[in-house]
Amino acid sequence: GAVVSQHPSWVICKSGTSVKIECRSLDFQATTMFWYRQFPKQSLMLMATSNEGSKATYEQGVEKDKFLINHASLTLSTLTVTSAHPEDSSFYICSAGTSGNNEQFFGPGTRLTVL
Amino acid sequence: SQQGEEDPQALSIQEGENATMNCSYKTSINNLQWYRQNSGRGLVHLILIRSNEREKHSGRLRVTLDTSKKSSSLLITASRAADTASYFCALRSGGYQKVTFGTGTKLQVIP
Repeated sequence: GAVVSQHPSWVICKSGTSVKIECRSLDFQATTMFWYRQFPKQSLMLMATSNEGSKATYEQGVEKDKFLINHASLTLSTLTVTSAHPEDSSFYICSAGTSGNNEQFFGPGTRLTVL
Repeated sequence: SQQGEEDPQALSIQEGENATMNCSYKTSINNLQWYRQNSGRGLVHLILIRSNEREKHSGRLRVTLDTSKKSSSLLITASRAADTASYFCALRSGGYQKVTFGTGTKLQVIP
């Protein structure tokens, strides 16, 4: 149980285009989903927290207009990188948790490469 | 939010040896978790230790937590080549569900 999937697993796009990444909790309802970014050889940095049906809370320094997060259902959250640039190339990882649960369940990650 | 500092940043050992990595933090926590990440892959949850616990075991893993020193250690005994990965501590503080990750230790186990 407690499986989280991400789609796509990798994506290559041209500079200026937008890319959508999906995060799904497959066998449980996720009241909260988190989006992280990991640059090569670095740790995971939290970008934003999203609760189902409400606006996401962004961490300091993360542009909410550039990284659009939608958490429309208890099993799906999406991250859209708008007008992507090469510096947005990174490994994006989502995680999902339920209310009152100490543990987060992580997706396998999406590698974004912007040319 | 705080980030854990891990040391060493990198560790290379022979198969069969024990590996110890440490995580230090600055403010109080609810719990501390350890994760493993193979290169370019997602995270695997290893173990969670609560702030009122001092030690936990899981197979070849042993985690300690010293809240007075604000530090935790992860010990992997009898290491195997398959243990080669990056290991991260993750801190949960306050009433928030979110966690913040440490800087990570890259472990290489040489067969």
